[in-house]
Amino acid sequence: SQTIHQWPATLVQPVGSPLSLECTVEGTSNPNLYWYRQAAGRGLQLLFYSVGIGQISSEVPQNLSASRPQDRQFILSSKKLLLSDSGFYLCAWRDSGGGYTFGSGTRLTVV
Amino acid sequence: DAKTTQPPSMDCAEGRAANLPCNHSTISGNEYVYWYRQIHSQGPQYIIHGLKNNETNEMASLIITEDRKSSTLILPHATLRDTAVYYCIVRRNSGGYQKVTFGTGTKLQVIP
Repeated sequence: SQTIHQWPATLVQPVGSPLSLECTVEGTSNPNLYWYRQAAGRGLQLLFYSVGIGQISSEVPQNLSASRPQDRQFILSSKKLLLSDSGFYLCAWRDSGGGYTFGSGTRLTVV
Repeated sequence: DAKTTQPPSMDCAEGRAANLPCNHSTISGNEYVYWYRQIHSQGPQYIIHGLKNNETNEMASLIITEDRKSSTLILPHATLRDTAVYYCIVRRNSGGYQKVTFGTGTKLQVIP
């Protein structure tokens, strides 16, 4: 069966520090992968998507970047975090039926 | 630029049916209606989806109007564990990348 892993679950980082959030998928190959961010009281905002290794598309200009070094690995990064980067970050995988499976999320607090 | 609109919040008494509406008046002929829910601090969970026929699974029922411009998610016997934010989205079931926007959803509060 297909599963999606995301870590860490929570993270507190100082302003200006780097960020690396990792997402891995098991049980499928060549998945479409997505990073979403959810600010408090708001919907899910699509940040990046990837249809294959090394292929990244950004939906919203921001202080973040994404990479896909392996087929089932998707990484969200920042060189210098801002206070506005705080939020709940979700990795998702789109299955062959068109539905999304989400990871458990990372709650990032930038202080 | 969400393609769906939902009421921001609803209350439902425990044991009663919860009916959550969603408007998707610009839905295309090849787009499906998907419902997800997000319990606090967890990733969204798939509930159900449909194209034009009504659908039912172990979690819920989905009623889609004949013109497909709106739908209703029905939780037949709401429990306290159904308290969550419910998202309605529309998307194609196949093809390459699609930009899918999740709106703010409906916050369902099940009351004892």
